[in-house]
Amino acid sequence: QVQLQESGPGLVKPSQTLSLTCSVSGGPFTSGSSYWSWVRQPAGKGLEWIGRIYTSGSANYNPSLKSRVRMSVDTSKNQFSLRLTSVTAADTAVYYCARVNNYYDSDGAYHGWFFDLWGRGTLVTVSS
Amino acid sequence: DIQLTQSPSSLSASVGDRVTITCRASQYILTYLNWYQQKPGKAPILLVYAASFLQTGVPSRFSGTRSGTGFTLTISSLQPEDVATYYCQQTDTTPFNFGPGTTVDI
Repeated sequence: QVQLQESGPGLVKPSQTLSLTCSVSGGPFTSGSSYWSWVRQPAGKGLEWIGRIYTSGSANYNPSLKSRVRMSVDTSKNQFSLRLTSVTAADTAVYYCARVNNYYDSDGAYHGWFFDLWGRGTLVTVSS
Repeated sequence: DIQLTQSPSSLSASVGDRVTITCRASQYILTYLNWYQQKPGKAPILLVYAASFLQTGVPSRFSGTRSGTGFTLTISSLQPEDVATYYCQQTDTTPFNFGPGTTVDI
């Protein structure tokens, strides 16, 4: 079955760049209409959608982070990545990668996107 | 951006109780609303997608419904393993915002 695993530094200095990679194993990475996404969660707080990327490289980002975030994909390694520049303590959070899938019923009716598989998450702390 | 509100923010119920959580969107999102369960220290798990479709493997005591811009997640008979925080999420328009969460305790 498909599994996602985040990796990257657990500690980043303020003003530097946070870089994380999500490795996808056990199933298709480029087939179908799935997107791949990043979500973060500061300690004790809710979930924040960061953005999504298709295996073609087409991406959408949360406007709240758009000027600082870039996602990329490496289909040869079944990986997608997140870069967040100019980080501050407010970027300290658990970062999750997730698969974004969609559903068409037997009549062909579209029923939207949903995040059906998640990585375990990785804690990134921004501190000097 | 589409904003989501959830009520209540927390609740405490007994084993076997029927529990209802409500999510309301700031604008019409058809049925592009998902529900997730998150236990402490764990990643979220998809429970319900497209407002009312139960994800494979999720117990049938969970169900989702829609009424206008309001959505409801119901646990028909609360079990000890259902202690968690529940989030709704809209996927009508990016950014795919989540609700603030509802914490369920026993």
